[in-house]
Amino acid sequence: AQSVAQPEDQVNVAEGNPLTVKCTYSVSGNPYLFWYVQYPNRGLQFLLKYITGDNLVKGSYGFEAEFNKSQTSFHLKKPSALVSDSALYFCAVRDGGGGSYIPTFGRGTSLIVHP
Amino acid sequence: DTGVSQNPRHKITKRGQNVTFRCDPISEHNRLYWYRQTLGQGPEFLTYFQNEAQLEKSRLLSDRFSAERPKGSFSTLEIQRTEQGDSAMYLCASSFASGIYNEQFFGPGTRLTVL
Repeated sequence: AQSVAQPEDQVNVAEGNPLTVKCTYSVSGNPYLFWYVQYPNRGLQFLLKYITGDNLVKGSYGFEAEFNKSQTSFHLKKPSALVSDSALYFCAVRDGGGGSYIPTFGRGTSLIVHP
Repeated sequence: DTGVSQNPRHKITKRGQNVTFRCDPISEHNRLYWYRQTLGQGPEFLTYFQNEAQLEKSRLLSDRFSAERPKGSFSTLEIQRTEQGDSAMYLCASSFASGIYNEQFFGPGTRLTVL
């Protein structure tokens, strides 16, 4: 079985400050991890993924995420937040050990960046 | 625009009526997925196709739900005898089949309201 937890329903940050959106996961095999962003009335947009290799993954719009195997975490980060980053962020995981190709999504974290 | 498209974007129907949604994936993608998203939740997997073959269905997909992808291109999702609990955003996504860790590209969704 695979699962994802996003422990914060909402994250508030001031523009220009660094931001972190948390994600922890559980899988039987190797984790394939994804971050997506959803703007109002829009579908999900892919930001970045971790499959293997360097634990720090860089993605779209200046976002990056750090894979931590011992803590089973994949937190999303950005050094300097923009008001336009305000959106809903989803972490997803699928088990790279085979079987289903279907990822499990977290409940989402609403990021609010204040001017 | 060569992204995933969905029609209609909004559908309001009365309980007991049948509804059908259409998804047009990115043309090079041979995998197509359907998800349901309710307020405050991440996308929940319903079913997926590889080309025209429906390879996996969630237990969420009751007998009132049926999906087709007859020519391996567009797909339809039909809900028969709609219930108020079917009110949700229905998302379609597509991806490449080569490689087992490809990210999914999502459409804008169809918002269903059952009165």
